[in-house]
Amino acid sequence: GAVVSQHPSWVICKSGTSVKIECRSLDFQATTMFWYRQFPKQSLMLMATSNEGSKATYEQGVEKDKFLINHASLTLSTLTVTSAHPEDSSFYICSARDIQVENTEAFFGQGTRLTVV
Amino acid sequence: AQSVTQLGSHVSVSEGALVLLRCNYSSSVPPYLFWYVQYPNQGLQLLLKYTTGATLVKGINGFEAEFKKSETSFHLTKPSAHMSDAAEYFCAVRTGNQFYFGTGTSLTVIP
Repeated sequence: GAVVSQHPSWVICKSGTSVKIECRSLDFQATTMFWYRQFPKQSLMLMATSNEGSKATYEQGVEKDKFLINHASLTLSTLTVTSAHPEDSSFYICSARDIQVENTEAFFGQGTRLTVV
Repeated sequence: AQSVTQLGSHVSVSEGALVLLRCNYSSSVPPYLFWYVQYPNQGLQLLLKYTTGATLVKGINGFEAEFKKSETSFHLTKPSAHMSDAAEYFCAVRTGNQFYFGTGTSLTVIP
């Protein structure tokens, strides 16, 4: 199957700093990428959907200015957690689809464990 | 609106026993259905998917699922559990460009 690479796999940062997470599709064009947040023992919560070359669509309750998403190319989307605080600590997962291919599933990155201290 | 319900947040089975993880969905249009597995601190890996055609779908690692439209169900089964099957399992529905995930079922395999 297609490969989505997410980096870093884990990061520890100080409160007040910003952290950037990258999501790359390695062997297909990801016209759409999704960013999820997952709390322990819970399901994935969709944060935003990003389409290449346009602004991301954020889910209700997700702060746009705090979680900056950029999808400048067909193979790369980034999520920047700005002015991180301990409550932002979580597992963040990206997924990507090539919507030009029907019947395709979403391919997931390995996830990023963010710990804010 | 679409929704996915996974009955049983935790399922325990003995090694070698049948695995049955339940998933029901609601969808206003014919759905695309998926089962994903997640190991600790990892992303989701596709087990199998139903799009069209045969309602019994076979996936990786010996898993299969059957789409039953009349019951709006897509239960996941495996005839014989292996220790390596212990993980979190998510059922998902895709309509349009949007995925909707169930709350997950944690599978424990007892030696």
